[in-house]
Amino acid sequence: AQKVTQAQTEISVVEKEDVTLDCVYETRDTTYYLFWYKQPPSGELVFLIRRNSFDEQNEISGRYSWNFQKSTSSFNFTITASQVVDSAVYFCALYSNYQLIWGAGTKLIIKP
Amino acid sequence: KAGVTQTPRYLIKTRGQQVTLSCSPISGHRSVSWYQQTPGQGLQFLFEYFSETQRNKGNFPGRFSGRQFSNSRSEMNVSTLELGDSALYLCASSPLPSGTGNSYEQYFGPGTRLTVT
Repeated sequence: AQKVTQAQTEISVVEKEDVTLDCVYETRDTTYYLFWYKQPPSGELVFLIRRNSFDEQNEISGRYSWNFQKSTSSFNFTITASQVVDSAVYFCALYSNYQLIWGAGTKLIIKP
Repeated sequence: KAGVTQTPRYLIKTRGQQVTLSCSPISGHRSVSWYQQTPGQGLQFLFEYFSETQRNKGNFPGRFSGRQFSNSRSEMNVSTLELGDSALYLCASSPLPSGTGNSYEQYFGPGTRLTVT
C-alpha cells in the first residue's frame, strides 16, 4: 500500500526560528517521486520541490532545505529563519504507480 | 504564461442538483487532473485526462464525471449533489500525462469552492 504520513498536524513557531516538517512515505515501487507543496490561505497549491527515488542528494533553496533518506523513507522539509509569509499548510506527496498520494498536511503558523 | 484558471471560484448548490466546474490548463499543457479537498479526507485524486481521454480515476462514485476538450480545457460534473460533496475542487495541469516516465510536476489552479446546502 502507498501512503504518506505527516504526523505534525500543526506547528507554531516565532518568526526567525528554524522549523522542520516531517514526511514519511510507504511504497513498494523502486521508482517514485516525492513532492512538497505549499497551500497559503488563498487556496492555490504551490509547487516547492520534486525528488526522484534515485536522487538522495539533499537540496537547499534559499531558506528552504530538504532531507531525503530512503533508509528511513523520509523526506523532511526545513525552513531556516522562518518568516510570517511562510505561514501556510504544507503537503508532502508521493507519485507512484500512476497515482499522486497526498499527506494530510501540516499547518505552519509563524508568529511575529 | 497564464496559470491554471478555474471557474467559478465559488458555488452554492442544493442537495440533489448537479454542478459543472471548468478548468483551463496552462497553454501547452495537455494533461489535466482533478482533486477534491475536504477537511476530513484531505486531498483526494478524482481523475486525470490527457488528449480527451480519461487515463486514471480515483475512488469516487459514478456521480463524479469529467471530460476534456480538444483544446485541453476540462470540465468535471457532479450529479445528484450530497452534503458531503462540499469541498474545494482543485484542477492541475501538466505538460505530460502520468506514466510516461516524467516526474508528473503539476501546476494547480486556485480551486472552486463548492458548498452544498
